[in-house]
Amino acid sequence: GAVVSQHPSRVICKSGTSVKIECRSLDFQATTMFWYRQFPKQSLMLMATSNEGSKATYEQGVEKDKFLINHASLTLSTLTVTSAHPEDSSFYICSARGPRYEQYFGPGTRLTVT
Amino acid sequence: DAKTTQPPSMDCAEGRAANLPCNHSTISGNEYVYWYRQIHSQGPQYIIHGLKNNETNEMASLIITEDRKSSTLILPHATLRDTAVYYCIGGLNSGGGADGLTFGKGTHLIIQP
Repeated sequence: GAVVSQHPSRVICKSGTSVKIECRSLDFQATTMFWYRQFPKQSLMLMATSNEGSKATYEQGVEKDKFLINHASLTLSTLTVTSAHPEDSSFYICSARGPRYEQYFGPGTRLTVT
Repeated sequence: DAKTTQPPSMDCAEGRAANLPCNHSTISGNEYVYWYRQIHSQGPQYIIHGLKNNETNEMASLIITEDRKSSTLILPHATLRDTAVYYCIGGLNSGGGADGLTFGKGTHLIIQP
């Protein structure tokens, strides 16, 4: 299957700072990418849909000014968590949509805000 | 997305076929059924999807009932590495927009040695 990478895999930051997470589709072009987060013992929850060259679409309850998404190319989408707080600590996972509308997921980024 | 119902957990002996059921009674005629799995602390992995006909790939087989109200994912020879949470996600229109996935609780499949 297609390969999606994320960087970093793990990050610890202080409260009030910003963190950028990169998501890359390595062997295919992805017009659409998605960002999810997963809290312990819960299922993934969709945060936003990222379309190359246009503004992201955010799910209800997700603050667009806090979670900045940029999809500048067909192989790269970034998620920036601005002014992070401990409650933002979570497992952030991106995915890229494949040609048959299946999704290929990255390995995830574990964010810990202290 | 159509709501799906899956058993919360299942056990299967290593080397045997694992059959994971899913009910998706609200699925409409043009909505596909997708299966993903998530191994602990990793990103989910796409397995297979189908519309009406049974499907098979190198990972699994998907059997969809004629009325399309339910499906079964079959892992033909389960190994310990197949232990994961399996998600059945219905109601995705593969010909339409770019919908994100709505994950339910899935089935925690445990392969026993």
